[in-house]
Amino acid sequence: DTGVSQNPRHKITKRGQNVTFRCDPISEHNRLYWYRQTLGQGPEFLTYFQNEAQLEKSRLLSDRFSAERPKGSFSTLEIQRTEQGDSAMYLCASRLRGPENTIYFGEGSWLTVV
Amino acid sequence: DAKTTQPPSMDCAEGRAANLPCNHSTISGNEYVYWYRQIHSQGPQYIIHGLKNNETNEMASLIITEDRKSSTLILPHATLRDTAVYYCIVRVGDFGNEKLTFGTGTRLTIIP
Repeated sequence: DTGVSQNPRHKITKRGQNVTFRCDPISEHNRLYWYRQTLGQGPEFLTYFQNEAQLEKSRLLSDRFSAERPKGSFSTLEIQRTEQGDSAMYLCASRLRGPENTIYFGEGSWLTVV
Repeated sequence: DAKTTQPPSMDCAEGRAANLPCNHSTISGNEYVYWYRQIHSQGPQYIIHGLKNNETNEMASLIITEDRKSSTLILPHATLRDTAVYYCIVRVGDFGNEKLTFGTGTRLTIIP
């Protein structure tokens, strides 16, 4: 257990529905990241926050995806109008700012769109 | 971030040292080498990182060549629980690109 908590761990949803994942980072970690991982591939970067500011978004983050970190603590990742191609594991990670500070990952949230 | 090259798979006998190589020939002077592993269906687990010097912690040792173009992760006494996909990643410390670029990693299988 790294201390990064993600909920729910598993979600099955019908195509077209909206889903939201929550991430609670390690306390006092000011940087928070979202990654996506499909079967057989390594994790791919989606976006990151420094405190409440979203500083970078990948082109993978389509208009149907939105991430927030309203108070600089927990974060949510919402996917609207889900598609089958959204089926993946969504990983959250966090770290303290500092050149050597390590990024720690949560256990991930599995999404299956049927 | 520099790209890395790893063998797709390796086997190692239980109890022996597992040596996982990684090439990062285009690494820049301010880029760190990080190793993570991922056991099936779990999030990536941090193992170790280094800049220039060799590093050791309770999990593993990291050997970085003098020219920094390659490195080796060493698991000194592999156990069955070390079976996982191992990722070698290079990234700038704090003021560069924040994202970790994972490749497909090395699938390490520990043989009983």
